[in-house]
Amino acid sequence: AQSVSQHNHHVILSEAASLELGCNYSYGGTVNLFWYVQYPGQHLQLLLKYFSGDPLVKGIKGFEAEFIKSKFSFNLRKPSVQWSDTAEYFCAVSRSGNTPLVFGKGTRLSVIA
Amino acid sequence: DARVTQTPRHKVTEMGQEVTMRCQPILGHNTVFWYRQTMMQGLELLAYFRNRAPLDDSGMPKDRFSAEMPDATLATLKIQPSEPRDSAVYFCASGLSPPTEAFFGQGTRLTVV
Repeated sequence: AQSVSQHNHHVILSEAASLELGCNYSYGGTVNLFWYVQYPGQHLQLLLKYFSGDPLVKGIKGFEAEFIKSKFSFNLRKPSVQWSDTAEYFCAVSRSGNTPLVFGKGTRLSVIA
Repeated sequence: DARVTQTPRHKVTEMGQEVTMRCQPILGHNTVFWYRQTMMQGLELLAYFRNRAPLDDSGMPKDRFSAEMPDATLATLKIQPSEPRDSAVYFCASGLSPPTEAFFGQGTRLTVV
């Protein structure tokens, strides 16, 4: 079965620190990749997505992610985090075609002043 | 501003009672997903529909849960009878097929006492 692993359960960073959140998936075929953010008490919002083309994807709020096919990875990065980035971040994968998104368990990011 | 609408936002009920959650997908979207979010399990796919037809409900406990799409503008998730372990946030999401991203509603926070 397809699975998505997010290595970090909880990350604590100071403002202006750089962020990298890991995501690996198990499916070997063609995939679509997503990062979603969930602010406290809110619904999931799309940060960025990858379907094909340039493996370095830029999203909203200064986030980017890099698809490395050989490593089955799609890590999320941001050069300088802000307090407002405090949220839970979910990686999701769907197989190309007609399959639903499978989510990782999420990484909680706490940004402190 | 197109959005997925879920009702109710909060529901507290006693064990054994029937619970019905409703979702209005974004107009024109032909795929609807139901996810359940808990601290322990993260986001679990319960069911999904394409063009109102159920494609996969293997994640749903069949003895008490049921999901339907009476028409293209309404999806329902019903629990009968409800149990305390059903307490969670239930998210509906909609999208297009072939899949792009999933657009999430605000969720229904269910508490079964």
